Amino acid sequence: QLQLQESGPGLVKPSETLSLTCTVSGGSINTSDYYWAWMRLPPGKGLEWIGNIYYDGTTYYNPSLKSRVTMSLDTSTMRFSLNLTSVTAADTAVYYCARHDYPDAFDIWGQGTMVTVSS
Amino acid sequence: EIMMTQSPATLSVSPGERATLSCRASQSVRNNLAWYQQKPGQAPRLLIYDVSARATGIPARFSGSGSGTEFTLSISSLQSEDSAVYYCQQYKSWPAFSFSYGPGTKVEIK
Repeated sequence: QLQLQESGPGLVKPSETLSLTCTVSGGSINTSDYYWAWMRLPPGKGLEWIGNIYYDGTTYYNPSLKSRVTMSLDTSTMRFSLNLTSVTAADTAVYYCARHDYPDAFDIWGQGTMVTVSS
Repeated sequence: EIMMTQSPATLSVSPGERATLSCRASQSVRNNLAWYQQKPGQAPRLLIYDVSARATGIPARFSGSGSGTEFTLSISSLQSEDSAVYYCQQYKSWPAFSFSYGPGTKVEIK
């Protein structure tokens, strides 16, 4: 059964770059059947889509975050990554990676990782 | 951007009773509507996609209905393990990806 696991620092300083990795196990990331995605859930707020990446590296970002987001994918290590630059306290959230069962919904999610932006 | 709203914010239901959750979109999302369940400390779990299709392994007591801008998630015969926050989500893939979520409905067991 496919599983996703997020990893990365739990604390990032303001103005720095948030970097997270999602490791895929129990299945292949190198498939044209799915997209791979990042979402976040800020404290007291709703879920927000950050972006999608396809197995060939094509990316699609939320327009509200596009200027600060970069996603990448490495099929050899079965990982995909998120970089979010110039972070502020508003970027404090639980970050989730997920599989997008295109053209439908996100059918498999990681457990999530809490990232706090603070000096 | 398509805005999603949900009501009520909190729903308190006795075990064995029916829970009805509502979701509204600011414009038509056709049938591109999903529901997720999230329990504290856990990842969201896909329950329903395409308005009414149950995801793999989801019990039949969960059902979805609606069209256009008005949607409903029903949980028949509520069980204690159904206590969670439920989110609706619209998804669009053309001409660009667009995903947005409602603020959630918290279902409590009386």
